[in-house]
Amino acid sequence: DAKTTQPTSMDCAEGRAANLPCNHSTISGNEYVYWYRQIHSQGPQYIIHGLKNNETNEMASLIITEDRKSSTLILPHATLRDTAVYYCIVRVVAGNQFYFGTGTSLTVIP
Amino acid sequence: SQTIHQWPATLVQPVGSPLSLECTVEGTSNPNLYWYRQAAGRGLQLLFYSVGIGQISSEVPQNLSASRPQDRQFILSSKKLLLSDSGFYLCAWIPGNGLGLKTQYFGPGTRLLVL
Repeated sequence: DAKTTQPTSMDCAEGRAANLPCNHSTISGNEYVYWYRQIHSQGPQYIIHGLKNNETNEMASLIITEDRKSSTLILPHATLRDTAVYYCIVRVVAGNQFYFGTGTSLTVIP
Repeated sequence: SQTIHQWPATLVQPVGSPLSLECTVEGTSNPNLYWYRQAAGRGLQLLFYSVGIGQISSEVPQNLSASRPQDRQFILSSKKLLLSDSGFYLCAWIPGNGLGLKTQYFGPGTRLLVL
């Protein structure tokens, strides 16, 4: 079962920051937060992951609240190519299972 | 570099026919392998995962089965397809060796339509 909840859909203007929230109120201390995205008709693409500190890479930033019960994925300057379904997942370090929820469908508007 | 292949890319099959989807991974050894299904407009459902040759864990009871005859080969099968088996089937892998956190990578997928 997915252990995260996300809004079904969001819109973002091109060039603006896209902030995608995720709730994981039952997260355990040894569970990481992962973000993937899936562009239509393709396999999901890894974006970023974190445990408790904020993380940044070339694609996005991940902000995790101090109590770790929620997180936000930030795409700093959204482009049309960022239109996709974004999945937030939690998993343990040694865990074999990845459980995907229904994700957030992000539409970047010109 | 590691790559993952799936075939066929698309498949149209009649109800009651058998199914065999294949996934292979290159450039790694002893990976964990996964099969997911995504129905139209839905999220990803984990079907099976494997941590080694001949080792299969089933997440959802159904008319599908999985096998891992070789280290880097993962096969999804069915003896008799149902209409509800239509969907986008994704194979994924994570490195099986070493310690620490591993990221899961996905193949291009197979789109199956059962008529």
